[in-house]
Amino acid sequence: DAKTTQPPSMDCAEGRAANLPCNHSTISGNEYVYWYRQIHSQGPQYIIHGLKNNETNEMASLIITEDRKSSTLILPHATLRDTAVYYCIVRGSNFGNEKLTFGTGTRLTIIP
Amino acid sequence: GAGVSQSPRYKVAKRGQDVALRCDPISGHVSLFWYQQALGQGPEFLTYFQNEAQLDKSGLPSDRFFAERPEGSVSTLKIQRTQQEDSAVYLCASSPRTLDSTGELFFGEGSRLTVL
Repeated sequence: DAKTTQPPSMDCAEGRAANLPCNHSTISGNEYVYWYRQIHSQGPQYIIHGLKNNETNEMASLIITEDRKSSTLILPHATLRDTAVYYCIVRGSNFGNEKLTFGTGTRLTIIP
Repeated sequence: GAGVSQSPRYKVAKRGQDVALRCDPISGHVSLFWYQQALGQGPEFLTYFQNEAQLDKSGLPSDRFFAERPEGSVSTLKIQRTQQEDSAVYLCASSPRTLDSTGELFFGEGSRLTVL
């Protein structure tokens, strides 16, 4: 699976949009971009994933560049409960290669 | 409950003791994963089961680590002759592995092992 690069930490004011970047320049054509987050003392939680189109769900939006070499996770209205470590993961198609390879992620702190 | 359940949540072992960590996946989930998470690090893959078959154990750090899932549901991760470097949170995750699934893994809250 392709490797990803994320900033180690970010701050965001409560109520503002949090934009978390991820570089995955070696991504291949059949690899998806997944985002998980891990709140302190809990297991990782799935947020969203995409292949090449932008995606949105009730938690977040995922913007993938046209060349697919980078992406941005957007939390539109950050709350204190969004403070967590956010992991960007690149993985092959979900049927047959489900293993996730985590990096060190971005520690997002929401400031009151 | 409906989620992945792990027990014990906390385990303290003396160096050299054997430990067993249990994972109850979500009912009907075909795939089961074990991860190890050291303090301040991201989770690292240990092993993967599809039903009762262990298809990937490439992440197990030594032959002291052994995992099983004999009936394709509950899984046990066993660590023999524990060492201090085994201190970590051990996470279990499951997935339904259906063609129309999102590929999402559902994680438990983990078992925190401390080896003294």
